[in-house]
Amino acid sequence: EADIYQTPRYLVIGTGKKITLECSQTMGHDKMYWYQQDPGMELHLIHYSYGVNSTEKGDLSSESTVSRIRTEHFPLTLESARPSHTSQYLCASSEFATRRTGELFFGEGSRLTVL
Amino acid sequence: GNSVTQMEGPVTLSEEAFLTINCTYTATGYPSLFWYVQYPGEGLQLLLKATKADDKGSNKGFEATYRKETTSFHLEKGSVQVSDSAVYFCALLNYGGSQGNLIFGKGTKLSVKP
Repeated sequence: EADIYQTPRYLVIGTGKKITLECSQTMGHDKMYWYQQDPGMELHLIHYSYGVNSTEKGDLSSESTVSRIRTEHFPLTLESARPSHTSQYLCASSEFATRRTGELFFGEGSRLTVL
Repeated sequence: GNSVTQMEGPVTLSEEAFLTINCTYTATGYPSLFWYVQYPGEGLQLLLKATKADDKGSNKGFEATYRKETTSFHLEKGSVQVSDSAVYFCALLNYGGSQGNLIFGKGTKLSVKP
């Protein structure tokens, strides 16, 4: 069973608020990811990190930001939430050698609703 | 570039029916191929994988064969159960590109009725 945790699972918030979605993993994985999942279930990579102090933008442009100060922790922040940010956000991690295994471990997701 | 195309859903089957979810890919070189599954209210998890041509991945009664000649990796199960209801994602990993990130298809939702 994967040891990757996301909080909160559900969040309803008003426009303009700052929010942080937390993601932690206890597997010692170097690489971590944030995906945005739209209602049609399609996944969009918005951020990833190769390790501490590394952050990269993914394929889909996002107004969110991420940080990687500790290996196990990869929070995502929205400075000013808008209704267009309403979505499911999935965090994942993998060994750096994912090139060989391709196995990502996913959290259960954070469902954000912005009113 | 690299891309994955899978059949659109939703797919609705009766219990014990045969399942096929089609997946084709475009990639240079020799990618590895994967099927991930997302059960309701959960994150994705790896279902099976194949790393080279003609390899067959299998798990939980599901199978998929890496066909380089047809650039396909179709998912099959001989007899589905209600508990197989989920969203299935085909994915590829091309060592030479995409910064080592998986390329996912759009997902196919499967509903199995008793």
